[in-house]
Amino acid sequence: GAGVSQSPSNKVTEKGKDVELRCDPISGHTALYWYRQRLGQGLEFLIYFQGNSAPDKSGLPSDRFSAERTGESVSTLTIQRTQQEDSAVYLCASSSPLGGIGYEQYFGPGTRLTVT
Amino acid sequence: AQKITQTQPGMFVQEKEAVTLDCTYDTSDQSYGLFWYKQPSSGEMIFLIYQGSYDEQNATEGRYSLNFQKARKSANLVISASQLGDSAMYFCAMREPQSNFNKFYFGSGTKLNVKP
Repeated sequence: GAGVSQSPSNKVTEKGKDVELRCDPISGHTALYWYRQRLGQGLEFLIYFQGNSAPDKSGLPSDRFSAERTGESVSTLTIQRTQQEDSAVYLCASSSPLGGIGYEQYFGPGTRLTVT
Repeated sequence: AQKITQTQPGMFVQEKEAVTLDCTYDTSDQSYGLFWYKQPSSGEMIFLIYQGSYDEQNATEGRYSLNFQKARKSANLVISASQLGDSAMYFCAMREPQSNFNKFYFGSGTKLNVKP
C-alpha cells in the first residue's frame, strides 16, 4: 500500500513569503505528526493531530506556524512570513493508535524548505 | 526534563563488530513503548525495533536487539556484525499514551560511522 507522501519535496522561498507544506498520511491512520529537523539535528516536535483535532500544538515555534487537517486525511502546515531560521526539513508521520502502543510512526520523505 | 536522552552524538565502529547505542528515558507511566529509528543520509526515517514496557524479553529484529533495563530506564540498541550500510543517524523514541492520545518523544540522535 501507499506510504506517507509529502509535497513539495523541495521548496525554495524568499524571506517574508508564505509557504504551505502538504502531508498525505497512510489511509486509515488517525494520528498525524509534524516534525522539523534542522541540518544535522534531531527531530523537533511541532504538532500532533488525532483525527481532525490537534490536542497538542505545544511545539509550534511561533504564531507564524499553523496547521490543519481535514477529512482525517490530508494535513497542511503553513508558515507565514518565512524567516531564514525556518530553513529545515519538515517531516510528517502517521500512526494508528488502534494498533496498540506498539504501532510505530511511518514517516514521509520530508519537505526540504530553504528560505533565502 | 528530557524525555529521551541519547548521550553519544557520534560513534565509530569497525565493520563486522557489534556496537551499542545508548538511550535513557523518563516517564512516570507504567505503559509505554520504546522505538529505534534509523535515518541514512538520504533522510528517510526507517523503523528498526520496538520494545513494550510490559515485554519481559528483549526485542530482537535480525541484527538489531534492544537491551531493555526497565529499572534503569534504559533502552540501548545493539547492532551486531556492523555493516557499512549501517552508517546513519539513529534515533531513540518513546510513545507515551495520554488518555486516548499518543505522543512520541525523540532523542537528539547518535551518528554511527562504520569503518571498513
